[in-house]
Amino acid sequence: GAVVSQHPSRVICKSGTSVKIECRSLDFQATTMFWYRQFPKQSLMLMATSNEGSKATYEQGVEKDKFLINHASLTLSTLTVTSAHPEDSSFYICSASHRFSRETQYFGPGTRLLVL
Amino acid sequence: TQLLEQSPQFLSIQEGENLTVYCNSSSVFSSLQWYRQEPGEGPVLLVTVVTGGEVKKLKRLTFQFGDARKDSSLHITAAQPGDTGLYLCAESLWGKLQFGAGTQVVVTP
Repeated sequence: GAVVSQHPSRVICKSGTSVKIECRSLDFQATTMFWYRQFPKQSLMLMATSNEGSKATYEQGVEKDKFLINHASLTLSTLTVTSAHPEDSSFYICSASHRFSRETQYFGPGTRLLVL
Repeated sequence: TQLLEQSPQFLSIQEGENLTVYCNSSSVFSSLQWYRQEPGEGPVLLVTVVTGGEVKKLKRLTFQFGDARKDSSLHITAAQPGDTGLYLCAESLWGKLQFGAGTQVVVTP
């Protein structure tokens, strides 16, 4: 149980375009979802936290207008990278937790974004 | 915000050898989690430690939490190539995770 999926697994786009990444909890209701970014040979950095039906809370230094997060249902959150630039190329990972185990996050497999 | 320091940054060993990686902080951890991440995948939770002095075992992996809850270690006995990965410690605080920089472990046959 507690499986989280992400789609797509990898995406290549041109500079200036927008890219949407989906994160789904497959067998549980995710009251909270998290979005992380990981650059090569670095650790995971939390970008934002989203609760179902509420606006996302962004970490310091993360532009909310550039990284749009929607958590419209208990099983789906989306991250849209708007007007992507090469420096946005990274590994984006989502995780989800449910109300009965808030301290445990279940991670998705990640999405590799390459902006040309 | 607490800073989690992991050491060493990189560790390369031969199959069958033992290894230990460390996670330290200047402040007390509320609880600490250890993850392993393989290339191109999300991290997988290995264990959560909560109580000072706690020792947990997961097959060939032994996790220790310091008495003062400021440090933790992960020891792998008789490492195998399948143990290769990035080992991350993370503190969970109010449902949010803060990760250390990780230790990259490579086990060669």
